[in-house]
Amino acid sequence: DIQMTQSPSSLSASIGDRVTIACRASQGISSWLAWFQQKPGKAPKLLIYAASHLHTGVPSRFSGSGSGTDFTLTISGLQPEDFAIYYCQQASSFPHTFGQGTRLEIK
Amino acid sequence: EEQLLESGGGLLQPGGSLRLSCAASGFTFSDYAMSWVRQAPGKGLEWVSGINESGDKTAYAHSVKGRFTISRDNSKNTLYLQMNSVTADDTAVYYCAKDHIDYRGQGTLVTVSS
Repeated sequence: DIQMTQSPSSLSASIGDRVTIACRASQGISSWLAWFQQKPGKAPKLLIYAASHLHTGVPSRFSGSGSGTDFTLTISGLQPEDFAIYYCQQASSFPHTFGQGTRLEIK
Repeated sequence: EEQLLESGGGLLQPGGSLRLSCAASGFTFSDYAMSWVRQAPGKGLEWVSGINESGDKTAYAHSVKGRFTISRDNSKNTLYLQMNSVTADDTAVYYCAKDHIDYRGQGTLVTVSS
């Protein structure tokens, strides 16, 4: 199975900051990577698919990059509604494993 | 508007069975592969099972293989997850996803307890 490792596990930032979350796959997954935002009691919300494609309706301050084994999610200009948990997921091969999550908190 | 509505969750005893449903609307259900994902209380996301557009190819997480069965009825725009021989480790909110990654429902809670 492909293991997905996110870093950091938690992150404190201020409104307006630019933050980056990393996700590493244990083997190459081409661009088969998605990023999600999850708030308490809610379903995961798709932000980025195919590593760098912004899902419909997602603000342009979110961006994704990478291919192969190393990927990043960047949020440029943090807004209050962005404080949440972020997950990456590989969709290259079954099982479609998730990273352990990154908790983004207000500093 | 594209929607997914999960249902069928509840409280059941270890060793019991339950069938979850995911009703799709607002898109052509038969054009998309689907997945189930779960989240235990206070834990991260775990992919559970996936199925292709026609329903003839399926995949499972090691933790549920041999106990859970995913299926779909394209005439009813509905995805299913049959859960058998459940244990406390299966306690979670279960979400379905369009195209394996697009989660649009609120999830359904399954609690396994004696």
